Amino acid sequence: AQKITQTQPGMFVQEKEAVTLDCTYDTSDQSYGLFWYKQPSSGEMIFLIYQGSYDEQNATEGRYSLNFQKARKSANLVISASQLGDSAMYFCAMRKGRGSQGNLIFGKGTKLSVKP
Amino acid sequence: EPEVTQTPSHQVTQMGQEVILRCVPISNHLYFYWYRQILGQKVEFLVSFYNNEISEKSEIFDDQFSVERPDGSNFTLKIRSTKLEDSAMYFCASRDGTNTGELFFGEGSRLTVL
Repeated sequence: AQKITQTQPGMFVQEKEAVTLDCTYDTSDQSYGLFWYKQPSSGEMIFLIYQGSYDEQNATEGRYSLNFQKARKSANLVISASQLGDSAMYFCAMRKGRGSQGNLIFGKGTKLSVKP
Repeated sequence: EPEVTQTPSHQVTQMGQEVILRCVPISNHLYFYWYRQILGQKVEFLVSFYNNEISEKSEIFDDQFSVERPDGSNFTLKIRSTKLEDSAMYFCASRDGTNTGELFFGEGSRLTVL
């Protein structure tokens, strides 16, 4: 069965520093996708970044990058130059492989607090 | 920028009442989803909908739940007889037909069952 594990319930980072949020996953599928979403206190879910299982390069989107280590089944999110507005819950998610309609399985999330 | 819209943003209901949560997905999207998030917990999949039928559902999505796409734009989630444990934030999401398309989420509908 597919599973996403986020072992850090909460993280603190100083403004302007980089932070890594951990995510490991478990799947027997060869084809899958990994996502990170941000959930601010207002509650909406904001897509940040995507990594496909066959992508050779690590995904990057602005200040977000995904450190994808396929053999270790990890997909850590790196936020560079943290800003106060980055304070939020961050969820790692996985899309199941072929045959699925793109349903996402989410981890329990990491609450990031950026200190001024 | 196109977005998924949900109404109501917050609904309070009595246990046993029927509730309908409404969603307008992004217009050219093909796949539609409902997720829920109980306060302080992770986001859980309820159901996916494609080509006018349910394509996948979780064990949470029992006979008390139903979904419908009554016209070309709306996508609704009905809870027939609400229970206290149905109190949660309900998210609608949609995506396009590409293999890598991310899910776009609405802002959620908070349901409080008293």
